[in-house]
Amino acid sequence: GESVGLHLPTLSVQEGDNSIINCAYSNSASDYFIWYKQESGKGPQFIIDIRSNMDKRQGQRVTVLLNKTVKHLSLQIAATQPGDSAVYFCAGANSGGYQKVTFGIGTKLQVIP
Amino acid sequence: DVKVTQSSRYLVKRTGEKVFLECVQDMDHENMFWYRQDPGLGLRLIYFSYDVKMKEKGDIPEGYSVSREKKERFSLILESASTNQTSMYLCASSAPRGGIGTEAFFGQGTRLTVV
Repeated sequence: GESVGLHLPTLSVQEGDNSIINCAYSNSASDYFIWYKQESGKGPQFIIDIRSNMDKRQGQRVTVLLNKTVKHLSLQIAATQPGDSAVYFCAGANSGGYQKVTFGIGTKLQVIP
Repeated sequence: DVKVTQSSRYLVKRTGEKVFLECVQDMDHENMFWYRQDPGLGLRLIYFSYDVKMKEKGDIPEGYSVSREKKERFSLILESASTNQTSMYLCASSAPRGGIGTEAFFGQGTRLTVV
């Protein structure tokens, strides 16, 4: 089965600095990847996604990079703000199937004011 | 906005009880999912459904069953609750490939404690 995992469980970043959260996946059949943000007491919320035919996608203050060669993706948050403090999950899926989404264990991002 | 609503935020049940967790979505999504979330383990898929009356086992289906009688509603059933089922349960829905998008939209979770 698919395994999606994160390198670092906790990341502390100074407010205003850029944050980079990393994720590795094992299933080569995964062709769709999503980053979610989960704030305390809430369900995960979609941040950004990327398909395997891309290696970079940008959103508002966020960028996702995908390296299929080493099965690695990262989430970059520019000018990190206190409101970015949350747990971030990467997830992978095979869009040709039932879109069963497999999640990593999560990284807690702590923003230091 | 997509809305996924779980019927309870907090539940306390006794060992051996039959427990029903209800989830309703309002975006006419075909896919619905039940996950449990535990510290250090992330979100693990229990069951999912891609259509009414259809269901597929996820990664940890033991001790659980599901029901999808209507498109908008997906129920998770703990046949005989045990203390190791104490967890945060998250429901999600998504549109199928070719629809409006394939990301999953989550409810706010039900924290179940089995005593």
